[in-house]
Amino acid sequence: NAGVTQTPKFQVLKTGQSMTLQCAQDMNHEYMSWYRQDPGMGLRLIHYSVGAGITDQGEVPNGYNVSRSTTEDFPLRLLSAAPSQTSVYFCASSYSMGTGANVLTFGAGSRLTVL
Amino acid sequence: GQNIDQPTEMTATEGAIVQINCTYQTSGFNGLFWYQQHAGEAPTFLSYNVLDGLEEKGRFSSFLSRSKGYSYLLLKELQMKDSASYLCAVMDSNYQLIWGAGTKLIIKP
Repeated sequence: NAGVTQTPKFQVLKTGQSMTLQCAQDMNHEYMSWYRQDPGMGLRLIHYSVGAGITDQGEVPNGYNVSRSTTEDFPLRLLSAAPSQTSVYFCASSYSMGTGANVLTFGAGSRLTVL
Repeated sequence: GQNIDQPTEMTATEGAIVQINCTYQTSGFNGLFWYQQHAGEAPTFLSYNVLDGLEEKGRFSSFLSRSKGYSYLLLKELQMKDSASYLCAVMDSNYQLIWGAGTKLIIKP
């Protein structure tokens, strides 16, 4: 099993450009999520999905869009990149959200720099 | 507001024991998680506590006191490969994870 696959691993953008971070999982997980990780801060939830066709906002959704057309894929779109979006992005999935034992499997991360 | 506190950095010696503390204030509680994150890599799951007490898993143990809003991760027989950041996360009443900033553990020979 590949687990959670994220692409690209590294990306440099100019302010105002748009791009999509790809995330795919092969574990038939219902729950998928996107986090950003910045120095000195905890992981912050951007958007999440509890199943195909269902998405919701997390703690820091502004400037990002998501869609969930299939169980496997959960892309994150940056609409107009800003330097404040320079960060490491992690996609994570689990079997469900509504239980306490919601163990997340993370992708390898995507390091994004916005100039 | 919701808050997770853990020390920023700790140093320990190879072969020794280290305890990493985590205190939390959250809207409800549905469990506490510990994840390990090596530099430049993704977090990986270590432990989950939902009831008070100690959960032991090999060299790693995790303790929870819900009344005190407190947990610790205990690492025994430290190895150089244990050098990593350790992330504490609490699941709140909406089943959302609230993450601490992580504790960077440095192991010295």
